[in-house]
Amino acid sequence: DVKVTQSSRYLVKRTGEKVFLECVQDMDHENMFWYRQDPGLGLRLIYFSYDVKMKEKGDIPEGYSVSREKKERFSLILESASTNQTSMYLCASSTGGFTHEQYFGPGTRLTVT
Amino acid sequence: RKEVEQDPGPFNVPEGATVAFNCTYSNSASQSFFWYRQDCRKEPKLLMSVYSSGNEDGRFTAQLNRASQYISLLIRDSKLSDSATYLCVVNNDNNAGNMLTFGGGTRLMVKP
Repeated sequence: DVKVTQSSRYLVKRTGEKVFLECVQDMDHENMFWYRQDPGLGLRLIYFSYDVKMKEKGDIPEGYSVSREKKERFSLILESASTNQTSMYLCASSTGGFTHEQYFGPGTRLTVT
Repeated sequence: RKEVEQDPGPFNVPEGATVAFNCTYSNSASQSFFWYRQDCRKEPKLLMSVYSSGNEDGRFTAQLNRASQYISLLIRDSKLSDSATYLCVVNNDNNAGNMLTFGGGTRLMVKP
């Protein structure tokens, strides 16, 4: 069974803290993605990676960075958290090519106070 | 203008009703289209792909109109378990990986 896991379901951090969100998939997928989901705005792509050590900016990369040192793991980093980064963060993975189905993790609800 | 637009709803329908959602997309070069379902406080999951010829999966029918750049989802004989948010999704098949653009979702509530 396909599985994408995220390190935390709920996280509360203070403004200015460095935040790490971890995502692991066990399907040997090439592609991995980080989204944020906000009411009225839907899912917006922050960063994605199509191979180990490769990363590409999505639609809203400002204030975020990512790391992909191993194929199964894709980390999202908030260097200095701000209140406007309070959101639901969803990780996803997919195979290479044009299969298209993305498998999502359960999400991390991050609150920055 | 958003790349993928949907009526946010909610659509409140009784059990057994037929309900239809539409979605419009702005990029005429878009290649692939999908409907994802997202239950409350859960992650999105693929419901069905949308093909040019239209396709059906049980009570669900998806249609694509490339000329007008819209996609539809029809649900027949609605069940309580169909209550969810339905996300219209478009892929532009760029070479940098499998990137999807999501609509904001349409919320469906099926009542007894």
